[in-house]
Amino acid sequence: GAVVSQHPSWVICKSGTSVKIECRSLDFQATTMFWYRQFPKQSLMLMATSNEGSKATYEQGVEKDKFLINHASLTLSTLTVTSAHPEDSSFYICSAPGTGDTEAFFGQGTRLTVV
Amino acid sequence: GQNIDQPTEMTATEGAIVQINCTYQTSGFNGLFWYQQHAGEAPTFLSYNVLDGLEEKGRFSSFLSRSKGYSYLLLKELQMKDSASYLCAAMDSNYQLIWGAGTKLIIKP
Repeated sequence: GAVVSQHPSWVICKSGTSVKIECRSLDFQATTMFWYRQFPKQSLMLMATSNEGSKATYEQGVEKDKFLINHASLTLSTLTVTSAHPEDSSFYICSAPGTGDTEAFFGQGTRLTVV
Repeated sequence: GQNIDQPTEMTATEGAIVQINCTYQTSGFNGLFWYQQHAGEAPTFLSYNVLDGLEEKGRFSSFLSRSKGYSYLLLKELQMKDSASYLCAAMDSNYQLIWGAGTKLIIKP
Protein backbone atom coordinates (compact mmCIF):
# COMPACT_ATOMS: atom_id res chain seq x y z
CA GLY A 1 0.00 0.00 0.00
CA ALA A 2 0.89 3.65 -0.19
CA VAL A 3 3.44 4.90 2.32
CA VAL A 4 4.74 8.24 3.47
CA SER A 5 8.38 7.97 4.49
CA GLN A 6 9.57 10.61 6.95
CA HIS A 7 13.22 11.21 7.74
CA PRO A 8 14.93 11.54 10.15
CA SER A 9 13.12 9.79 13.00
CA TRP A 10 15.28 11.44 15.62
CA VAL A 11 17.43 14.54 15.52
CA ILE A 12 19.33 16.44 18.16
CA CYS A 13 20.69 19.83 17.18
CA LYS A 14 22.32 22.82 18.79
CA SER A 15 20.39 25.97 19.45
CA GLY A 16 20.65 28.35 16.51
CA THR A 17 21.12 25.71 13.84
CA SER A 18 18.59 24.61 11.21
CA VAL A 19 17.07 21.20 10.78
CA LYS A 20 15.40 19.79 7.69
CA ILE A 21 12.71 17.11 7.86
CA GLU A 22 11.71 15.25 4.72
CA CYS A 23 8.52 13.48 3.82
CA ARG A 24 8.39 11.36 0.72
CA SER A 25 5.35 9.70 -0.75
CA LEU A 26 6.20 6.24 -1.99
CA ASP A 27 4.24 4.68 -4.83
CA PHE A 28 1.86 7.62 -5.11
CA GLN A 29 1.90 11.32 -5.85
CA ALA A 30 1.04 13.73 -3.07
CA THR A 31 -0.01 17.13 -4.35
CA THR A 32 -0.75 18.12 -0.76
CA MET A 33 1.08 17.42 2.48
CA PHE A 34 -0.03 18.37 5.98
CA TRP A 35 2.60 19.20 8.60
CA TYR A 36 1.80 18.78 12.28
CA ARG A 37 3.48 19.42 15.58
CA GLN A 38 2.76 17.51 18.74
CA PHE A 39 3.83 18.00 22.30
CA PRO A 40 3.80 15.00 24.65
CA LYS A 41 0.31 13.87 25.62
CA GLN A 42 -1.33 16.50 23.47
CA SER A 43 -3.16 16.39 20.19
CA LEU A 44 -1.65 17.10 16.82
CA MET A 45 -1.53 20.75 15.90
CA LEU A 46 -1.73 21.48 12.21
CA MET A 47 1.08 23.84 11.30
CA ALA A 48 0.73 24.21 7.57
CA THR A 49 -0.42 22.67 4.35
CA SER A 50 2.08 22.37 1.53
CA ASN A 51 0.99 22.25 -2.07
CA GLU A 52 3.22 21.13 -4.90
CA GLY A 53 4.25 24.07 -7.03
CA SER A 54 2.83 26.80 -4.82
CA LYS A 55 3.40 28.44 -1.47
CA ALA A 56 2.44 26.64 1.69
CA THR A 57 -0.57 27.75 3.68
CA TYR A 58 0.27 28.36 7.33
CA GLU A 59 -2.11 28.12 10.25
CA GLN A 60 -2.61 31.14 12.45
CA GLY A 61 0.22 31.64 14.91
CA VAL A 62 2.78 29.58 12.96
CA GLU A 63 5.83 31.59 11.92
CA LYS A 64 6.36 31.02 8.22
CA ASP A 65 9.90 32.41 8.33
CA LYS A 66 10.85 29.98 11.06
CA PHE A 67 9.17 26.88 9.67
CA LEU A 68 10.06 26.81 6.00
CA ILE A 69 8.01 24.39 3.96
CA ASN A 70 8.89 23.39 0.45
CA HIS A 71 6.94 21.03 -1.77
CA ALA A 72 9.42 20.64 -4.59
CA SER A 73 7.86 17.69 -6.33
CA LEU A 74 4.84 15.42 -6.22
CA THR A 75 6.75 13.00 -4.00
CA LEU A 76 8.71 15.25 -1.65
CA SER A 77 7.79 17.87 0.92
CA THR A 78 10.26 19.31 3.42
CA LEU A 79 9.97 21.23 6.65
CA THR A 80 13.00 23.23 7.78
CA VAL A 81 13.11 24.53 11.31
CA THR A 82 15.39 27.55 11.08
CA SER A 83 17.44 28.92 13.96
CA ALA A 84 16.05 26.26 16.23
CA HIS A 85 15.56 26.96 19.92
CA PRO A 86 14.85 24.58 22.80
CA GLU A 87 11.15 25.53 22.70
CA ASP A 88 11.03 24.09 19.17
CA SER A 89 11.75 20.65 20.60
CA SER A 90 8.73 18.60 19.67
CA PHE A 91 7.40 15.77 17.58
CA TYR A 92 6.77 16.70 13.96
CA ILE A 93 4.69 14.53 11.64
CA CYS A 94 3.53 14.79 8.06
CA SER A 95 0.45 13.40 6.42
CA ALA A 96 -0.71 13.11 2.85
CA PRO A 97 -4.42 12.89 2.05
CA GLY A 98 -5.46 9.71 0.38
CA THR A 99 -7.62 9.11 -2.61
CA GLY A 100 -10.61 6.89 -3.01
CA ASP A 101 -11.29 4.84 0.07
CA THR A 102 -8.12 5.74 1.90
CA GLU A 103 -8.15 9.04 3.68
CA ALA A 104 -4.67 9.60 5.04
CA PHE A 105 -1.13 8.37 5.08
CA PHE A 106 1.09 9.45 7.94
CA GLY A 107 4.84 9.64 8.16
CA GLN A 108 6.59 7.98 11.07
CA GLY A 109 7.26 11.29 12.77
CA THR A 110 10.44 13.16 13.73
CA ARG A 111 11.42 13.81 17.31
CA LEU A 112 13.41 17.03 17.38
CA THR A 113 15.44 17.94 20.45
CA VAL A 114 17.19 21.29 20.49
CA VAL A 115 19.95 21.65 23.07
CA GLY B 1 6.19 -5.30 17.32
CA GLN B 2 3.88 -2.35 17.56
CA ASN B 3 0.47 -2.60 16.01
CA ILE B 4 -2.93 -0.94 15.84
CA ASP B 5 -6.03 -2.74 14.59
CA GLN B 6 -9.35 -1.21 13.69
CA PRO B 7 -12.07 -2.23 11.23
CA THR B 8 -11.63 -1.05 7.67
CA GLU B 9 -15.19 0.04 7.11
CA MET B 10 -18.48 0.34 8.97
CA THR B 11 -21.99 1.35 7.92
CA ALA B 12 -24.63 2.89 10.15
CA THR B 13 -27.96 4.66 9.85
CA GLU B 14 -28.59 8.34 10.46
CA GLY B 15 -29.77 8.91 14.03
CA ALA B 16 -28.35 5.63 15.28
CA ILE B 17 -25.31 4.81 17.45
CA VAL B 18 -22.07 3.28 16.23
CA GLN B 19 -19.02 1.98 18.11
CA ILE B 20 -15.62 1.85 16.40
CA ASN B 21 -13.17 -0.45 18.14
CA CYS B 22 -9.40 -0.22 18.26
CA THR B 23 -6.86 -2.61 19.75
CA TYR B 24 -3.24 -1.70 20.20
CA GLN B 25 0.12 -3.17 21.06
CA THR B 26 2.88 -0.69 21.79
CA SER B 27 6.20 -0.46 23.59
CA GLY B 28 5.01 1.48 26.58
CA PHE B 29 1.92 3.64 26.48
CA ASN B 30 1.35 7.36 26.72
CA GLY B 31 -2.22 7.68 25.56
CA LEU B 32 -4.71 6.84 22.86
CA PHE B 33 -5.98 9.36 20.33
CA TRP B 34 -8.97 9.41 18.03
CA TYR B 35 -9.08 11.63 14.97
CA GLN B 36 -11.74 12.29 12.36
CA GLN B 37 -10.78 12.87 8.77
CA HIS B 38 -12.89 13.85 5.80
CA ALA B 39 -11.50 13.13 2.36
CA GLY B 40 -8.76 15.55 1.33
CA GLU B 41 -8.79 17.38 4.65
CA ALA B 42 -6.45 17.36 7.61
CA PRO B 43 -7.44 15.07 10.49
CA THR B 44 -9.16 16.79 13.38
CA PHE B 45 -8.65 15.82 16.99
CA LEU B 46 -11.57 14.11 18.71
CA SER B 47 -10.29 12.66 21.97
CA TYR B 48 -7.35 11.62 24.11
CA ASN B 49 -7.47 8.91 26.77
CA VAL B 50 -4.64 7.91 29.05
CA LEU B 51 -6.64 6.60 32.02
CA ASP B 52 -9.11 3.73 31.98
CA GLY B 53 -12.72 4.63 31.54
CA LEU B 54 -15.17 6.50 29.41
CA GLU B 55 -14.83 10.15 28.46
CA GLU B 56 -17.88 11.82 27.01
CA LYS B 57 -17.76 14.87 24.80
CA GLY B 58 -21.12 15.73 23.32
CA ARG B 59 -22.20 13.13 20.78
CA PHE B 60 -18.79 11.49 20.85
CA SER B 61 -17.40 9.35 23.66
CA SER B 62 -14.14 7.46 23.92
CA PHE B 63 -13.32 4.50 26.14
CA LEU B 64 -9.97 3.02 27.15
CA SER B 65 -8.94 -0.22 28.83
CA ARG B 66 -5.17 -0.25 29.27
CA SER B 67 -5.09 -3.79 30.62
CA LYS B 68 -6.81 -5.03 27.46
CA GLY B 69 -5.06 -2.72 25.02
CA TYR B 70 -8.47 -1.68 23.80
CA SER B 71 -10.33 1.51 23.01
CA TYR B 72 -13.52 2.44 21.29
CA LEU B 73 -15.08 5.58 19.90
CA LEU B 74 -18.82 5.85 20.35
CA LEU B 75 -20.82 8.14 18.11
CA LYS B 76 -24.44 8.88 19.04
CA GLU B 77 -27.28 10.50 17.10
CA LEU B 78 -25.39 9.98 13.88
CA GLN B 79 -25.58 12.70 11.29
CA MET B 80 -24.71 12.50 7.61
CA LYS B 81 -21.73 14.80 8.22
CA ASP B 82 -20.24 12.10 10.46
CA SER B 83 -19.40 10.13 7.33
CA ALA B 84 -15.61 10.16 7.45
CA SER B 85 -12.61 8.10 8.38
CA TYR B 86 -11.83 7.65 12.06
CA LEU B 87 -8.21 7.13 12.97
CA CYS B 88 -6.99 5.50 16.14
CA ALA B 89 -3.42 6.24 17.26
CA ALA B 90 -1.48 5.07 20.31
CA MET B 91 1.53 6.90 21.71
CA ASP B 92 4.40 4.71 22.84
CA SER B 93 6.98 5.28 25.56
CA ASN B 94 9.07 7.41 23.19
CA TYR B 95 6.06 9.61 22.45
CA GLN B 96 5.92 8.24 18.92
CA LEU B 97 2.47 7.85 17.43
CA ILE B 98 1.51 4.47 16.07
CA TRP B 99 -1.40 4.88 13.68
CA GLY B 100 -4.19 2.57 12.72
CA ALA B 101 -5.22 2.39 9.08
CA GLY B 102 -8.49 4.15 9.81
CA THR B 103 -12.12 3.08 9.78
CA LYS B 104 -14.28 4.45 7.01
CA LEU B 105 -17.72 5.18 8.43
CA ILE B 106 -20.59 5.34 5.98
CA ILE B 107 -23.84 6.89 7.19
CA LYS B 108 -27.03 6.01 5.36
CA PRO B 109 -30.29 7.97 5.54
